[in-house]
Amino acid sequence: EAAVTQSPRSKVAVTGGKVTLSCHQTNNHDYMYWYRQDTGHGLRLIHYSYVADSTEKGDIPDGYKASRPSQENFSLILELASLSQTAVYFCASSLSWGGREQYFGPGTRLTVL
Amino acid sequence: GDSVTQTEGLVTLTEGLPVMLNCTYQTIYSNPFLFWYVQHLNESPRLLLKSFTDNKRTEHQGFHATLHKSSSSFHLQKSSAQLSDSALYYCALNTGGLSGKLTFGEGTQVTVIS
Repeated sequence: EAAVTQSPRSKVAVTGGKVTLSCHQTNNHDYMYWYRQDTGHGLRLIHYSYVADSTEKGDIPDGYKASRPSQENFSLILELASLSQTAVYFCASSLSWGGREQYFGPGTRLTVL
Repeated sequence: GDSVTQTEGLVTLTEGLPVMLNCTYQTIYSNPFLFWYVQHLNESPRLLLKSFTDNKRTEHQGFHATLHKSSSSFHLQKSSAQLSDSALYYCALNTGGLSGKLTFGEGTQVTVIS
């Protein structure tokens, strides 16, 4: 069974503060993704990576940075957290490309006050 | 760009009755991969079924769907709803490119009542 873990599982941050969400996978997958989930918007891709030390912008990258220091680890960074970034964040991983299943982590509930 | 449309945001069903969730997509690519993901309350999304073969029925855990490229559709069906089918269902599209990106629909929240 594929394993993707996220930390923290929940976080309360202050507006303007820095937030780092971490993701770790033990699947030996090349591809990793960060999504945010909001009611009415579904899952939207923020950043993704298909190799260590390289990240790509997804569909809604503004206000977020990503870091992939190794194949196993992928972080999402909010340099200046804003109220609009309150959401549930999911990390996922997959083998290579194309029609491969993505395996999701348990999610991080972020509340920005 | 690519897009996925799920017309029903909220669906309430009676146990034992059939389920059909609509999914249509738009893409310029001729060989897309289509997926259905299911997310139960307080859990993460997981794959329910997927397809890339035109007009071929795909089945898993009592659900089935057929990719119809002529109508750009990938509707999810089940003959008899169960209480445990209450969940959020996402249709998603991948165009098979290098990125592996999935484009998700907005999701359909299904509630099955007895």
